[in-house]
Amino acid sequence: DGGITQSPKYLFRKEGQNVTLSCEQNLNHDAMYWYRQDPGQGLRLIYYSQIVNDFQKGDIAEGYSVSREKKESFPLTVTSAQKNPTAFYLCASSKRDGAVSGNTIYFGEGSWLTVV
Amino acid sequence: AQKVTQAQTEISVVEKEDVTLDCVYETRDTTYYLFWYKQPPSGELVFLIRRNSFDEQNEISGRYSWNFQKSTSSFNFTITASQVVDSAVYFCALSDLGKTGGFKTIFGAGTRLFVKA
Repeated sequence: DGGITQSPKYLFRKEGQNVTLSCEQNLNHDAMYWYRQDPGQGLRLIYYSQIVNDFQKGDIAEGYSVSREKKESFPLTVTSAQKNPTAFYLCASSKRDGAVSGNTIYFGEGSWLTVV
Repeated sequence: AQKVTQAQTEISVVEKEDVTLDCVYETRDTTYYLFWYKQPPSGELVFLIRRNSFDEQNEISGRYSWNFQKSTSSFNFTITASQVVDSAVYFCALSDLGKTGGFKTIFGAGTRLFVKA
């Protein structure tokens, strides 16, 4: 089945450690996104990529890094510089947005990150 | 300015009641898209509907219906005869061109719906 796979579902991080969340999609979408969701709050955009080897900062990129070496993959690294990383992280993808069409964003199942 | 407001933080209804979730948006663009997503307790956001700004026709899909009114910048979502399985957080979203030259999507804060048996 086509979809977006995130792993791990649950992750615990010690203070000062970097962790990487995996995101893979087989929908043949050009664009991929990472969102952060805090309890009881909406979604905030961390990074997005419209094409391989290119990505842009979203609204809350500080303390995070990404790479886009393959169309199917868009891993997110939460670095030790992120002061409050405990949250729910959602990966998403869409057809590439053009100047005349905003495309539907589809989401993975999310990853829970907890700092211990 | 691009903004989505879901004023209802939580709604609680009894099964079989009808319930309407409000969504008000702001955009300077004439071409834009509106979306609704459902987030059940499992966490994944499930896409429900996408409308473009040139199509104000209301849409019905089973127990779900959507009322798009450009005059009031609203895109409200109604669930008829609610069921316990409808319990979830519902997000409204807006996609427009903004300043970057490409479409950008923002989400409202969400409305948590509790449907009690």
